[in-house]
Amino acid sequence: GAVVSQHPSRVICKSGTSVKIECRSLDFQATTMFWYRQFPKKSLMLMATSNEGSKATYEQGVEKDKFLINHASLTLSTLTVTSAHPEDSSFYICSARGTIQKNTEAFFGQGTRLTVV
Amino acid sequence: GEDVEQSLFLSVREGDSSVINCTYTDSSSTYLYWYKQEPGAGLQLLTYIFSNMDMKQDQRLTVLLNKKDKHLSLRIADTQTGDSAIYFCAERSSGTSYGKLTFGQGTILTVHP
Repeated sequence: GAVVSQHPSRVICKSGTSVKIECRSLDFQATTMFWYRQFPKKSLMLMATSNEGSKATYEQGVEKDKFLINHASLTLSTLTVTSAHPEDSSFYICSARGTIQKNTEAFFGQGTRLTVV
Repeated sequence: GEDVEQSLFLSVREGDSSVINCTYTDSSSTYLYWYKQEPGAGLQLLTYIFSNMDMKQDQRLTVLLNKKDKHLSLRIADTQTGDSAIYFCAERSSGTSYGKLTFGQGTILTVHP
């Protein structure tokens, strides 16, 4: 299958600072990327969908000014958690779909564990 | 909106078969997926099935789909300790733009030696 790489895998930051998480498709062009948040022992909650070159579409209840998403190229999307607070601590996972997968598969990154102290 | 439900826990002995069940509500689902998540890791796509299929087999994995009852199952034959993980089913409906997936809450599979 296609490879999606997320970086960093773990990050600890101080409250009030911003953190950027990168999601890269390594061997295909990702026209669409999805950002999910996963709470402990919970399912994945879709935060936003981004298409290359367009503004991200945020799910209801997700603050777009808090979670900035940029999808500037066909292989890279970034999620920036601005002015992070302890309640933003979570596991963030991206997934990517490109034309090669047509309408079937979406491949996931390995996730980023964010801890805000 | 779409809703996907799974049982939360399943415990089996090594060598037995595991069956993980999932129900969904969206009748316009086009594709249904099974993902595996190991501790601290992302999601690994195990298999998927198109909604006009009843069954799909891939080595130790068998997916059964009952579209009438909106019920999906994943059978793992000869379950091994390395199969211990969280298993998520997910559905994609035809009405969802860009192929957004709706996930179940995950089934924690524990395999005992």
